[in-house]
Amino acid sequence: GENVEQHPSTLSVQEGDSAVIKCTYSDSASNYFPWYKQELGKRPQLIIDIRSNVGEKKDQRIAVTLNKTAKHFSLHITETQPEDSAVYFCPTYSSASKIIFGSGTRLSIRP
Amino acid sequence: DTAVSQTPKYLVTQMGNDKSIKCEQNLGHDTMYWYKQDSKKFLKIMFSYNNKELIINETVPNRFSPKSPDKAHLNLHINSLELGDSAVYFCASAGGDYGYTFGSGTRLTVV
Repeated sequence: GENVEQHPSTLSVQEGDSAVIKCTYSDSASNYFPWYKQELGKRPQLIIDIRSNVGEKKDQRIAVTLNKTAKHFSLHITETQPEDSAVYFCPTYSSASKIIFGSGTRLSIRP
Repeated sequence: DTAVSQTPKYLVTQMGNDKSIKCEQNLGHDTMYWYKQDSKKFLKIMFSYNNKELIINETVPNRFSPKSPDKAHLNLHINSLELGDSAVYFCASAGGDYGYTFGSGTRLTVV
């Protein structure tokens, strides 16, 4: 069945440095790869996504890269700021109705 | 004009009670979900409805019963509440683009 592994589970970086979170999936049929951000006490929100026919997508300081051969996709945050502190999730989909989230990655930005 | 609204935001109740959480979306999405998030931030799908029809029912105790009177509403009724039911419950909806919109969550505390 489908499975998602997200690494690391916790990440602490100095403000201004870059952060990278990696997500590995098992289902070759997966064709949509989103990243969600959940700030403390708030709801998860979609921040960026990529489809299987694209290798990379960028939106200001955040980017997502996809390696279909290795079955992983990564979130890259550059010039990190305090407001980037949150839990980040990479749910994997094989169809619109079968989704796996997991425990996410807790990112802390050190001042 | 909130896209996905759920009520109540907080719910404190005693063990053994029965309670309901309501969710409504005004996005015109066909699919709605209930997720449970524990203290370690693990976000686990419980149920999914597509146009009022149950399509996902994960391994959830039958004390939990979802009800969808129409595709804009998905309510969650919980019987005989237990301490382990304490968590944050998120409603979400999704349209054809696969993106999720989450509600603001209901923090349930069973005492």
